[in-house]
Amino acid sequence: DTAVSQTPKYLVTQMGNDKSIKCEQNLGHDTMYWYKQDSKKFLKIMFSYNNKELIINETVPNRFSPKSPDKAHLNLHINSLELGDSAVYFCASSQDPLSPGELFFGEGSRLTVL
Amino acid sequence: DQQVKQNSPSLSVQEGRISILNCDYTNSMFDYFLWYKKYPAEGPTFLISISSIKDKNEDGRFTVFLNKSAKHLSLHIVPSQPGDSAVYFCAASVLFGNEKLTFGTGTRLTIIP
Repeated sequence: DTAVSQTPKYLVTQMGNDKSIKCEQNLGHDTMYWYKQDSKKFLKIMFSYNNKELIINETVPNRFSPKSPDKAHLNLHINSLELGDSAVYFCASSQDPLSPGELFFGEGSRLTVL
Repeated sequence: DQQVKQNSPSLSVQEGRISILNCDYTNSMFDYFLWYKKYPAEGPTFLISISSIKDKNEDGRFTVFLNKSAKHLSLHIVPSQPGDSAVYFCAASVLFGNEKLTFGTGTRLTIIP
């Protein structure tokens, strides 16, 4: 059983399109995250949610909109895709939002914008 | 502004020898540090952590050392095994601040049989 699963794993799309990446965790964790790993290999946080509430929103264009229908799911929707959005997007979860501790990551979703 | 730096993008070590991966940080507010290991096409997995009240934490073949005055930490793997070949990320945060981890860019470790 995969603890944190993301779909799709690969996504190739044209500039200007809208796409979504889904994430689900079966660990019973309260906090979920989206991280982006760009071409320079920086792994940076984008958003975090705790019990469906947004608690971190880094400097991310508002074309990116996370949605958490319940605490086991955190989806990422991206509007009007740009070339610079090409990256690997990792979903993660953790038990305790106040103590960073251990993050459990999904396998990543590689987005390529042409 | 890169607050967590891993200046060696790659490292090759003979099997059975010690692997030492280094990490430097600039933010003096960081007080909790973690190492993650990443295989190709997989997400990072937690390896070991250390809080700033300690200068060493050991877990089997893995030991993390923290030098607060130098703002430097290192991960020692001994003995190194072929399965240790992976990318290792150092990460740092403010404990009980928020849950934002700041990652380094990773070091690719290759263990030579």
